Amino acid sequence: KAGVTQTPRYLIKTRGQQVTLSCSPISGHRSVSWYQQTPGQGLQFLFEYFSETQRNKGNFPGRFSGRQFSNSRSEMNVSTLELGDSALYLCASGGGTPNTEAFFGQGTRLTVV
Amino acid sequence: AQSVTQLDSQVPVFEEAPVELRCNYSSSVSVYLFWYVQYPNQGLQLLLKYLSGSTLVESINGFEAEFNKSQTSFHLRKPSVHISDTAEYFCAVSPSGNTGKLIFGQGTTLQVKP
Repeated sequence: KAGVTQTPRYLIKTRGQQVTLSCSPISGHRSVSWYQQTPGQGLQFLFEYFSETQRNKGNFPGRFSGRQFSNSRSEMNVSTLELGDSALYLCASGGGTPNTEAFFGQGTRLTVV
Repeated sequence: AQSVTQLDSQVPVFEEAPVELRCNYSSSVSVYLFWYVQYPNQGLQLLLKYLSGSTLVESINGFEAEFNKSQTSFHLRKPSVHISDTAEYFCAVSPSGNTGKLIFGQGTTLQVKP
C-alpha cells in the first residue's frame, strides 16, 4: 500500500510569510504526527492529531498550528516565518494505538530567506 | 518528562567490523523504545523496536538492540557492518505506548569506511 506522502518536497519562503505543508497518511491510519528536524535541535515533536483532534502538543510557539481532516489527511501551518524555521518537517502516520508503528514520510524541506 | 541521550554523535568504523551505537533514556513511566535510520534526503525508517517481552530485539538486516532496564539503555549493535549501513541512526522513546509522540535522541552518524 502507498506510504506517507508529504507535499511539497521543497519550499522556499520569505521571512514574515506563512506556509502550509500537507501530509497524506497511510490508508486506514488515524494518527498523524509532525516533527521538525534541524542540525542544531535535532528531531523535535510538534503535535499529533488523532481522529481530527489534537492529542499531543510539543513545545513550539503558537505560530505553529495544524489540523486533520475527516479523511485523516493533515496540514501544518507556520505563520510569520522566521529564519530559524528553516528545517526538514517530517510527518508520521500510525494506527494511533500502542504497539502500532509510526511510518514517516520523506519530509518537506522548508527554507526561509 | 522523557529524554534520550545518544552518547556518540559520530561513529567511524571499517567495513566488516562490529559496531555499537549507544542510547540511554530517562523516564518516570514505562516506555517503548525504537531505533530509526535515516539515509540522506530521506525520511526515517524503523529499524527495530522494544515493546515488551524479550529484552533482545533483532532487525532483518543484522542489527540488534538490548533493552536494559536497570541501566536505562537500549544500545544498537551489529557484528559486521557494510558500506550501505552508512546513515544517521536515531534512538527514540514513546511514553506510555503512544507511538504518535516520539522523543528522539540527537542522532549518531555511522560512517562505514572501506
